[in-house]
Amino acid sequence: DAGITQSPRHKVTETGTPVTLRCHQTENHRYMYWYRQDPGHGLRLIHYSYGVKDTDKGEVSDGYSVSRSKTEDFLLTLESATSSQTSVYFCAISESPIRQAISGNTIYFGEGSWLTVV
Amino acid sequence: KQEVTQIPAALSVPEGENLVLNCSFTDSAIYNLQWFRQDPGKGLTSLLLIQSSQREQTSGRLNASLDKSSGRSTLYIAASQPGDSATYLCAVNAGGTSYGKLTFGQGTILTVHP
Repeated sequence: DAGITQSPRHKVTETGTPVTLRCHQTENHRYMYWYRQDPGHGLRLIHYSYGVKDTDKGEVSDGYSVSRSKTEDFLLTLESATSSQTSVYFCAISESPIRQAISGNTIYFGEGSWLTVV
Repeated sequence: KQEVTQIPAALSVPEGENLVLNCSFTDSAIYNLQWFRQDPGKGLTSLLLIQSSQREQTSGRLNASLDKSSGRSTLYIAASQPGDSATYLCAVNAGGTSYGKLTFGQGTILTVHP
């Protein structure tokens, strides 16, 4: 298994409070991603990073911000949590396209963080 | 905008059957396509990765094919076992400046009963 740790794994928070989810990897992969998974919508990309301090928006980025100050850590912040952000959040990592074409390695997912906003 | 559809949404089969899961995508300009397995309450595990230049990949009892021009991929599972019960997801990677931005289908829930 790829070395990906998400924390916290479960959290209940109140509407309007800030929440930060952390993804930590030990694989030294360049790319990191945050997805959310919801019934009826499947997995959707929130934000991703292609290097330290290099991030970009995904399909459902409104209400979320990210930061990556070190290769191994990618933080997802909900500035003011809303009930619509109740979801399961998955972090993922992958190598760059060139390295992936050589290694054949795929994208690896963490175990998920269950967030409930009440 | 890329859209990925998986059919059927759910499938229940007796142990030992060979089965096919289908995935279709609307934009054929993909970099690669992956099949994942997800067990309840767990993350995703990659099963097979097919690059856009490839036609198929095999791993054990699993075989995935890709027809990029028609926007289709199939996952073939031979001699199904109860341990194969899970949700199977396909995802396409557009590549280029969108490398890594996977677009997922909604999955096929597979139940293999003894």
